[in-house]
Amino acid sequence: GEDVEQSLFLSVREGDSSVINCTYTDSSSTYLYWYKQEPGAGLQLLTYIFSNMDMKQDQRLTVLLNKKDKHLSLRIADTQTGDSAIYFCAESKGYSTLTFGKGTMLLVSP
Amino acid sequence: EAGVTQSPTHLIKTRGQQATLRCSPISGHTSVYWYQQALGLGLQFLLWYDEGEERNRGNFPPRFSGRQFPNYSSELNVNALELEDSALYLCASSLDPLSGNTIYFGEGSWLTVV
Repeated sequence: GEDVEQSLFLSVREGDSSVINCTYTDSSSTYLYWYKQEPGAGLQLLTYIFSNMDMKQDQRLTVLLNKKDKHLSLRIADTQTGDSAIYFCAESKGYSTLTFGKGTMLLVSP
Repeated sequence: EAGVTQSPTHLIKTRGQQATLRCSPISGHTSVYWYQQALGLGLQFLLWYDEGEERNRGNFPPRFSGRQFPNYSSELNVNALELEDSALYLCASSLDPLSGNTIYFGEGSWLTVV
């Protein structure tokens, strides 16, 4: 099966919170990342978390890691239309190669 | 400070030709990575260069090759182009290949093979 899995699509209304989920299979993953890709653009690093952490907060973004269940989530508070994009979860074992999920398309409606 | 820069932005080639894509890392970064983002296949790791050496390679045929120059910029070459090579090619750079927390991507080069 896939190393990193994400749901494909999420639709929310402006002002609501968005939660994007990701599961991974490799228990030796050391770093877990969230990247954002807007149409026609490259990848923007949003945030990352080390595997020995449970939670990381950065302004409107909250990352939760459940290492036992190998589950990672990204919560975006007060979602705005500008947050509409594809969000990629990725994992790494610390020697550079990133394994990405297929991406979750977030659509924010006014 | 400039981010990762890639050129060209768009490239159209015919089947059988060769394509060369270029990448300049963030100043001070010594590691450069190449990824392919093809429609329906997600992001696939291609190559990793660090200090001028190829450190790791993804599951791609040998016609995908590259190099890293003394100034840490990098080139990706794709020989004998096939239609399925049409994709967005993303370059990324990192300050410390073992830290894992400083991998930044460029805007990508769109390669279309006709």
